[in-house]
Amino acid sequence: QKEVEQNSGPLSVPEGAIASLNCTYSDRGSQSFFWYRQYSGKSPELIMFIYSNGDKEDGRFTAQLNKASQYVSLLIRDSQPSDSATYLCAVSRNTDKLIFGTGTRLQVFP
Amino acid sequence: DVKVTQSSRYLVKRTGEKVFLECVQDMDHENMFWYRQDPGLGLRLIYFSYDVKMKEKGDIPEGYSVSREKKERFSLILESASTNQTSMYLCASSFLLRDSGGYTFGSGTRLTVV
Repeated sequence: QKEVEQNSGPLSVPEGAIASLNCTYSDRGSQSFFWYRQYSGKSPELIMFIYSNGDKEDGRFTAQLNKASQYVSLLIRDSQPSDSATYLCAVSRNTDKLIFGTGTRLQVFP
Repeated sequence: DVKVTQSSRYLVKRTGEKVFLECVQDMDHENMFWYRQDPGLGLRLIYFSYDVKMKEKGDIPEGYSVSREKKERFSLILESASTNQTSMYLCASSFLLRDSGGYTFGSGTRLTVV
């Protein structure tokens, strides 16, 4: 079992819709959870991080964490073609090392 | 803004060459990391460092070494480049994750070994 699992996609959504990206992790001791966006040929950039169960909102982005189910998700409201990218989920214990999933490719079509 | 600078965007090297990839950060971060990224395999940790002259192996350290002589600089060394080391190499830095909210990545070095 992979430590951090994501569906590779592509996830295709129409412009203006909500995109829902999901991630599961195997280590129950995980404490910190991150979402990165990576455009083709570019390096990952941090979108959000979440530490506590529940929802965290930042503009059009909402991160959701459920530690009991070992599940973290990212919702993108009002999706735009510029949101088309690969989204990486990353998880950490109380160390500073991040374990990354392989990413979900999102395509937003006009 | 935190800046992490990788010295080369693209590199082409021959099999058996010794290769140096340089990474410099300007925000006084303690932690620095080297990852490689390959299609279908995602980001895999090669080495990391929490302090000057300190290094720890990641998940795939074989064939690589690192050097951290100054806090701002973390170098990745391919002792004898092989074709299976053709990859995108990403450097990252951070303070303690819980306070900083994660890594800042450099722009990456795409290395091709022929």
